[in-house]
Amino acid sequence: EAAVTQSPRNKVTVTGGNVTLSCRQTNSHNYMYWYRQDTGHGLRLIHYSYGAGNLQIGDVPDGYKATRTTQEDFFLLLELASPSQTSLYFCASSDATVSNERLFFGHGTKLSVL
Amino acid sequence: GDQVEQSPSALSLHEGTGSALRCNFTTTMRAVQWFRKNSRGSLINLFYLASGTKENGRLKSAFDSKERYSTLHIRDAQLEDSGTYFCAAEPSGSWQLIFGSGTQLTVMP
Repeated sequence: EAAVTQSPRNKVTVTGGNVTLSCRQTNSHNYMYWYRQDTGHGLRLIHYSYGAGNLQIGDVPDGYKATRTTQEDFFLLLELASPSQTSLYFCASSDATVSNERLFFGHGTKLSVL
Repeated sequence: GDQVEQSPSALSLHEGTGSALRCNFTTTMRAVQWFRKNSRGSLINLFYLASGTKENGRLKSAFDSKERYSTLHIRDAQLEDSGTYFCAAEPSGSWQLIFGSGTQLTVMP
């Protein structure tokens, strides 16, 4: 069964803080994604990657960096966190193309920036 | 095991016809959302339901917390409806979302 694990589950930081969200998938999938969910917006794509060392910009990349260190691991970095980045963050993986595939999601990380 | 089981995984429809997608839950959920994946990879919110039914154009969704399922009905399918659809449910007492694995819908002329 496809598995995507996010950590931490909850995170509280202050404005200007440095935060790293981690995602690991054991599906041997090529594609990994970071989304944020906010009321009224659905899930918006922040960054995605189609393999180790690759990074693609999503729809709402400002204020975020990401790094795909291995096929399994995809990190989302907030180097100067702001209150507008308070959100639910979801990681997902897929083994197909971006335009047409099934996604397997982690359970989410709740980030609060005070 | 999975808490959200989405079916079918793939569906082909001819233009003008309709069908339904379904998500079954193995535990009590307090709300469900339905999304459609756009060409950029973002998931656009179609519906949010805490109970009952909602309708928007050719789409209609229902959620029954007690019976542990939700459906998304598409009628008069159009070519532009093609894409991947996801349900996501909120377990009672949790802020988290549990996603179905998606339905790949193809609408054919």
